[in-house]
Amino acid sequence: DVKVTQSSRYLVKRTGEKVFLECVQDMDHENMFWYRQDPGLGLRLIYFSYDVKMKEKGDIPEGYSVSREKKERFSLILESASTNQTSMYLCASSYQGRAVEGYTFGSGTRLTVV
Amino acid sequence: QKEVEQDPGPLSVPEGAIVSLNCTYSNSAFQYFMWYRQYSRKGPELLMYTYSSGNKEDGRFTAQVDKSSKYISLFIRDSQPSDSATYLCAPRGNNQGGKLIFGQGTELSVKP
Repeated sequence: DVKVTQSSRYLVKRTGEKVFLECVQDMDHENMFWYRQDPGLGLRLIYFSYDVKMKEKGDIPEGYSVSREKKERFSLILESASTNQTSMYLCASSYQGRAVEGYTFGSGTRLTVV
Repeated sequence: QKEVEQDPGPLSVPEGAIVSLNCTYSNSAFQYFMWYRQYSRKGPELLMYTYSSGNKEDGRFTAQVDKSSKYISLFIRDSQPSDSATYLCAPRGNNQGGKLIFGQGTELSVKP
């Protein structure tokens, strides 16, 4: 019954490493999103995509990039990981034009950068 | 001013209590008002939503929207320990693919 799958639950990386977070959905959703969640700050949108090979910046895109080569897969890339990118990362997806269905989230990846 | 403001809590109540969770928002274009529930170490799940103003009831949960005051509420009756979670309000506009704007989330603990 799992609909949005994030490749890792926990990840520890070193400062300066390039980090890939993978997200796959099996619901044929057009929209996909990457958020980070921090205590006291809530969910903040990093990047989103409405279609294959299309991406839009969210509220906090600095230090991140994304890739969407296939409809079902949306990757978040930390070009050079830094300690302030230690966070919970959540991927979500949704249908276009079906506002009432909201988002389906993955279980999250807790990333620690040391 | 943030688009959505939510008291982060934490909120601790005894089992059986009535819980009131609230958000305020600033964008009058919001039409859908969603509530997500997030258990520890899990992603958020859609709990319920309302469209425009009014109330919507689903079992022990009631969502209420007052668009005139830009105020959103979620009431939980007869609260249970299994309701312990973080609750996030998330309004959105009516446009296709409209992004959700999330509140900070309120952490609720229901004690047996």
